[in-house]
Amino acid sequence: QSVLTQPPSVSAAPGQKVTISCSGGRSNIGNDYVTWYQQFPGTAPKLLIYDNSERPSGIPDRFSGSKSGTAATLGITGVQTGDEADYYCSAWDSSLSARVFGGGTKLTVL
Amino acid sequence: QVQLVQSGAEVKKPGASVKVSCKASAYTFSSHDFNWVRQATGQGLEWMGWMNPNNGNTGYAQKFQGRVTMTRNTSISTVYMELNSLRSEDTAVYYCARCGGQYNDYLPHWGQGSLVTVSS
Repeated sequence: QSVLTQPPSVSAAPGQKVTISCSGGRSNIGNDYVTWYQQFPGTAPKLLIYDNSERPSGIPDRFSGSKSGTAATLGITGVQTGDEADYYCSAWDSSLSARVFGGGTKLTVL
Repeated sequence: QVQLVQSGAEVKKPGASVKVSCKASAYTFSSHDFNWVRQATGQGLEWMGWMNPNNGNTGYAQKFQGRVTMTRNTSISTVYMELNSLRSEDTAVYYCARCGGQYNDYLPHWGQGSLVTVSS
């Protein structure tokens, strides 16, 4: 059971918008920045969003992040088949003194 | 360009230990913390702990306390993760990741992963 809660899967048609939620608590999302990672099968995770809403260089602006209270959301507009991957949220948990991850969300592009 | 190169796959018997290495290059080794994250087949990411390569300070997830040790060799810009008393549930890909940001609060750089298989 992950400390951060994500839906196991989401789906969208090409070109549509999709959002992935990440729910936590006061000791993690409510107290720290949220990070999002993208992972394709057989490869290492890739940083997608940091500090709640910042995109690293090279990440398209189709990807966005937001946070409100103890929940965070990853948004992807103009979904492409190449976006099919697993997405993980993460934050530091001050009660556990540990970095925690969500269970991951598999994005399927129909 | 920051690069993290990990050691190769390992097969271990239950009860044994494994030591995975992660060699960093193309930046100042002591500038950012390292984290270790593992992932069992078909499962999510599981954080194991962190290490400050400058002073060797570490912090481990409660689940691995007493069983994991993270060390470094600054002369060769390499960090290590050793896991003892292996059991079948430890079969996973183990990743090292270098932190980013002023407060080491995210992981922009990852190694390629090292598969550890625990089997009798």
